[in-house]
Amino acid sequence: GAGVSQSPRYKVAKRGQDVALRCDPISGHVSLFWYQQALGQGPEFLTYFQNEAQLDKSGLPSDRFFAERPEGSVSTLKIQRTQQEDSAVYLCASSQEHEQYFGPGTRLTVT
Amino acid sequence: DQQVKQNSPSLSVQEGRISILNCDYTNSMFDYFLWYKKYPAEGPTFLISISSIKDKNEDGRFTVFLNKSAKHLSLHIVPSQPGDSAVYFCAASVSPGTYKYIFGTGTRLKVLA
Repeated sequence: GAGVSQSPRYKVAKRGQDVALRCDPISGHVSLFWYQQALGQGPEFLTYFQNEAQLDKSGLPSDRFFAERPEGSVSTLKIQRTQQEDSAVYLCASSQEHEQYFGPGTRLTVT
Repeated sequence: DQQVKQNSPSLSVQEGRISILNCDYTNSMFDYFLWYKKYPAEGPTFLISISSIKDKNEDGRFTVFLNKSAKHLSLHIVPSQPGDSAVYFCAASVSPGTYKYIFGTGTRLKVLA
């Protein structure tokens, strides 16, 4: 079946702009995760949903970051008033149990 | 404070030989571990997992070993193939019964033909 998809794959934003990143998980996967990956680093946890409930948002770096999954399927990560330090690859993963399956990521560049 | 450490940023191995990738962790509450492979411009691909109740799990050419007393796990790839050249990440779950993972910084494996 289809894997996790993310859009857009690349996004260039001017500092101060708002961006929205979309994730389509594997159909039927209950859990959905967002990660931020800086160059040369491993993925860093941002937030976690079980169905539509956001169970953990402890990794969101500031209140400019907001994630939602209103119907328990597609999720959107929104970043308001982007800053240069937000430049990174944003990865989405979904899972039924422990093993998480990742999308290709969205590379965000803030200029 | 890096709770999951991959101390070797890179590793080169001859084709056909064994690749051993290492990972250390600090939190004894970690109870489930995953290994991922990542190619450039792609998301990480799940390889193999191990629960803390086991000390070994094998899947084809990939074997993961867990040494709980040393808080150490390793991924063995044998025989190594050029297509295995990628960055490998280990990840550990934060506490029993949750699916939140902490990732290491990765080891870049290069398999030489």
